[in-house]
Formats: sequence, structure tokens, C-alpha cells
Amino acid sequence: GAGVSQSPSNKVTEKGKDVELRCDPISGHTALYWYRQSLGQGLEFLIYFQGNSAPDKSGLPSDRFSAERTGGSVSTLTIQRTQQEDSAVYLCASSQTSGSSYEQYFGPGTRLTVT
Amino acid sequence: GENVEQHPSTLSVQEGDSAVIKCTYSDSASNYFPWYKQELGKGPQLIIDIRSNVGEKKDQRIAVTLNKTAKHFSLHITETQPEDSAVYFCAAKDSSYKLIFGSGTRLLVRP
Repeated sequence: GAGVSQSPSNKVTEKGKDVELRCDPISGHTALYWYRQSLGQGLEFLIYFQGNSAPDKSGLPSDRFSAERTGGSVSTLTIQRTQQEDSAVYLCASSQTSGSSYEQYFGPGTRLTVT
Repeated sequence: GENVEQHPSTLSVQEGDSAVIKCTYSDSASNYFPWYKQELGKGPQLIIDIRSNVGEKKDQRIAVTLNKTAKHFSLHITETQPEDSAVYFCAAKDSSYKLIFGSGTRLLVRP
């Protein structure tokens, strides 16, 4: 079946502009996660959704970052007034639930470059 | 909170040899330990995982072992092939929903 999809695959933006990154999880997966991966680094947790609710936003690096999820499906990560340090690959993952089913499946990521 | 350390950061092996990557975790409440393979330009792919009630799990050429007492877990790849070359990440999940990732191991399999 279809996996997690993300768009765009690449985004180049000027410092100070806003960007929106989209994630389409696996159908039926209720939990959705956003991570950030800086060059050559591990994955940094940003935010988690269970359905449309985000019980934990503590990983968001600043108030310029926000995310929403609608209809228990597609999620959008928005970065306002982008800075060069926001350059990274933004990865989305989904899982069936956050309870007993732990496996998280990742999309291909969006590579964001802020110039 | 949970902290996961992974080593080595790079590993080069000859085709056909075995490769071992090790991780340690800090939170004794962690109960799920997946391993991901990430190829260049792609998202991480889940390759094997283990839960805290099991000491070892195998899937063809890959295996994972878990030592809860020492808070260690390891990935073992036997009969390595060039297509095994990638970055491998370990992770740990505590009683919450979060996965905490190690910093990754770049594996190179020389033909």
C-alpha cells in the first residue's frame, strides 16, 4: 500500500519568508510525528499528533514553528520568518496508534534550504 | 529524559564480513527499540525492532540483541553486501510516544 508522502521534496526559500511543509500519513494511521534532521545528524523530535490533537509540542524549537492536522490525516508544518538555522530535512512519520503499536513509518522528507 | 548513544559513527567492512553497531540508553522505562536504515536522499526505513520482554530477534541476515540490565542493544548484520551500505540509526521509546534516536552509524561495505 501507499506509504507516508511528503511535499515538496525540496524547498529553497529566502531568509524571513514563511514555508509550509505537508505530510500525508499512511491511511488509517492515527498517530503522526514530525522530526528534523540536520546535516549528518540524528533525528530530533518536533511534535506528535494523536488524531487532530497535539498533546506534545515541546520539541518545536521556537514559536516560529507550528503544525496542524485536519481530518485525522494530512498535517502541515509551518515555519514563519525562516532563519538559516532552520535548514534541515524535515521528516514525517506515522503509526497505527501511539499505544501498543509502536512502529513508526517515515516519509522521504522535505529538504529545506534557507538562503 | 531518555538519551541514546550510538557507536561507532562510521564502520567499514569487507563484503561478506559481519557488522555490529551498538547503542546504550539511559531510561530503564524504555520498552521498545527499533533500528532504521537510511539511504542517501531517503527517509529512514524500519528494518528490525525489539521489545523489552525479548532478548534477541532475528530476520534473515540481521539480528538485534537487548541487554536490559546493562541498557545496551546491538544490531548485527551477517554476510554483508554492498547494498547494506547506508546510515543506520538506533532508537528507544520510553513509556510515552517519543522515539529518541542515536546519532547514526555510517556503514560502508567494500566489494
